[in-house]
Amino acid sequence: DIVMTQTPLSSPVTLGQPASISCRSSQSLVDTDGNTNMNWLQQRPGQPPRLLIYKISNRFSGVPDRFSGSGAGTDFTLNISRVELEDVGIYYCMQSTEFPTFGGGTKLEIK
Amino acid sequence: EVQLVESGGDLVQPGGSLRLSCAASGFTFHYYWMHWIRQTPGMGLAWVSRIKSDGTFIEYADSVRGRFTISRDDAKNTLYLQMNSLRPEDTAIYYCVRGSRDWKGIDYWGQGTLVTVSS
Repeated sequence: DIVMTQTPLSSPVTLGQPASISCRSSQSLVDTDGNTNMNWLQQRPGQPPRLLIYKISNRFSGVPDRFSGSGAGTDFTLNISRVELEDVGIYYCMQSTEFPTFGGGTKLEIK
Repeated sequence: EVQLVESGGDLVQPGGSLRLSCAASGFTFHYYWMHWIRQTPGMGLAWVSRIKSDGTFIEYADSVRGRFTISRDDAKNTLYLQMNSLRPEDTAIYYCVRGSRDWKGIDYWGQGTLVTVSS
């Protein structure tokens, strides 16, 4: 199984300031077709997870452009350019190159 | 609008059985792979099973293989998860999740249904 390791566990951020979450996979996520199936999910309090980013850097439908993803191979990053109150929640990285596995989550909270 | 509505979660004793359902709407169900993913406070998110759009390919996590069965009824736009020989560690919120057609991954999630295995 591909193990996904996220850091930090918790990220206190001031409103309007940037935030960054890292994720490392235990093996390369480059698939046989050349795609890298790295995804980011957001889970607001009391809500199910929702897809934010797929294939490293593609924003899913309805996702604000303050969210961006980057990385390659085994190291990836989710960036939020200016944190808003509605961004509070837990963020998960997820790979789908093999059967899906998830990081342990990063709790984003406001200072 | 894509909607996935799970039902069937309940309190069940260890060794018991339960069938979860997921009613899909807002998209052409038979075009899509479908997944079950579960979430516990301690273990986080864990993929459980998936079924190909035409039902010809099915895969399970090691932790549930031989006990759980995924199926679909395209005439009813419904996904199922039959859960047998339930264990306390199967206690979780179970989400029905759609596989994406445009990339190798998942996109829309249901609200989830809670399964509690306890005596």
